Amino acid sequence: GQSLEQPSEVTAVEGAIVQINCTYQTSGFYGLSWYQQHDGGAPTFLSYNGLDGLEETGRFSSFLSRSDSYGYLLLQELQMKDSASYFCAVKGSYIPTFGRGTSLIVHP
Amino acid sequence: NAGVTQTPKFRVLKTGQSMTLLCAQDMNHEYMYWYRQDPGMGLRLIHYSVGEGTTAKGEVPDGYNVSRLKKQNFLLGLESAAPSQTSVYFCASSRSGGAALGELFFGEGSRLTVL
Repeated sequence: GQSLEQPSEVTAVEGAIVQINCTYQTSGFYGLSWYQQHDGGAPTFLSYNGLDGLEETGRFSSFLSRSDSYGYLLLQELQMKDSASYFCAVKGSYIPTFGRGTSLIVHP
Repeated sequence: NAGVTQTPKFRVLKTGQSMTLLCAQDMNHEYMYWYRQDPGMGLRLIHYSVGEGTTAKGEVPDGYNVSRLKKQNFLLGLESAAPSQTSVYFCASSRSGGAALGELFFGEGSRLTVL
């Protein structure tokens, strides 16, 4: 089976940097994805790491270490609109499995 | 560009009633998924399909059936609704192969309440 662990909640102030960690246990690992979901909305894709290292997309970066079964999402220059839930997901064979999500609260 | 469209967006059922949720995608994606989302539980996979005419069970398939008669459509059925099936249902699709499987495109969700 597959399981993922991520913190349930993270708080930060506007303009700061925050890191959301994700550890996973899975068979047949192919990659780690991150999704953002605002209250009442649909999850939207942020990033994907198929190989070890850092992927950068604007203010968001994602990191993967396959040897440690660990990844993180880094959000820089936080804005109020970044308040949302963030999910990591592992891709094993055809089936993406999601973590329970991290609620990010950004304070002014 | 519509992407992934789910209908209906809201529905209230009585215990024992049946209904079908429709998911349609216009991106010619091979893979389609149905997830349910409950508070604190993340997204749990109900059923998925890797191509027209194929379906497979996910993590929580009991009480649901699916069909993929056309590539662009993926239907989720509840034969006899139960209060435990009160949830938000999300359909998603993805291209096949490699890194493409890491990017899912989601519909806006269908909010189902079973009384």
